[in-house]
Amino acid sequence: GAVVSQHPSWVICKSGTSVKIECRSLDFQATTMFWYRQFPKQSLMLMATSNEGSKATYEQGVEKDKFLINHASLTLSTLTVTSAHPEDSSFYICSALPGSGTSGSSSYNEQFFGPGTRLTVL
Amino acid sequence: DAKTTQPTSMDCAEGRAANLPCNHSTISGNEYVYWYRQIHSQGPQYIIHGLKNNETNEMASLIITEDRKSSTLILPHATLRDTAVYYCIVPPYMGRRALTFGSGTRLQVQP
Repeated sequence: GAVVSQHPSWVICKSGTSVKIECRSLDFQATTMFWYRQFPKQSLMLMATSNEGSKATYEQGVEKDKFLINHASLTLSTLTVTSAHPEDSSFYICSALPGSGTSGSSSYNEQFFGPGTRLTVL
Repeated sequence: DAKTTQPTSMDCAEGRAANLPCNHSTISGNEYVYWYRQIHSQGPQYIIHGLKNNETNEMASLIITEDRKSSTLILPHATLRDTAVYYCIVPPYMGRRALTFGSGTRLQVQP
């Protein structure tokens, strides 16, 4: 199946610093990628939708100036957590949609997830 | 997304079939049922999806009732590595392509 990678797999940083997380689709092109966040013992929560060549769309309650998303190519999206604080400690997961898909088609919502990045802010 | 209801947790003996139910009574005619699973501290993994016919792949089988209001994911011979949280998701027919994850079912495969 399609492979999505994330780097780094884990990171520890000091409060106030910025951290960049990369999400790559290794064997397919993805015009759309998604960023999710997962706190301990909770389910995944969508943070934003990243579209190649355009601005990301953020979910309600997610600060766009704090979580900077760049989708500069069809295989790479980055999430930068700026001025990180301990409450930003979480498991960040990206996913990628292979191809545009046709609304209502079988593959319209099929997406592939990265392995996740564990962020710990001290 | 159409609301889905899954049991919070289930146990299954290793080597036996694991049958994970999902209710999606508000599903509309063109919406697919997707199943993903998440093994601890990993990203979700796609398992299978279907519209109305039963589906089978190398990982699992998906049985969808005739009225499409519920479905069952079947892992035919569960192994310890199948211990995970299983999510049943019914995304909208068109528009938003992101997935909405509920609480899922925590499947514990016992040796």
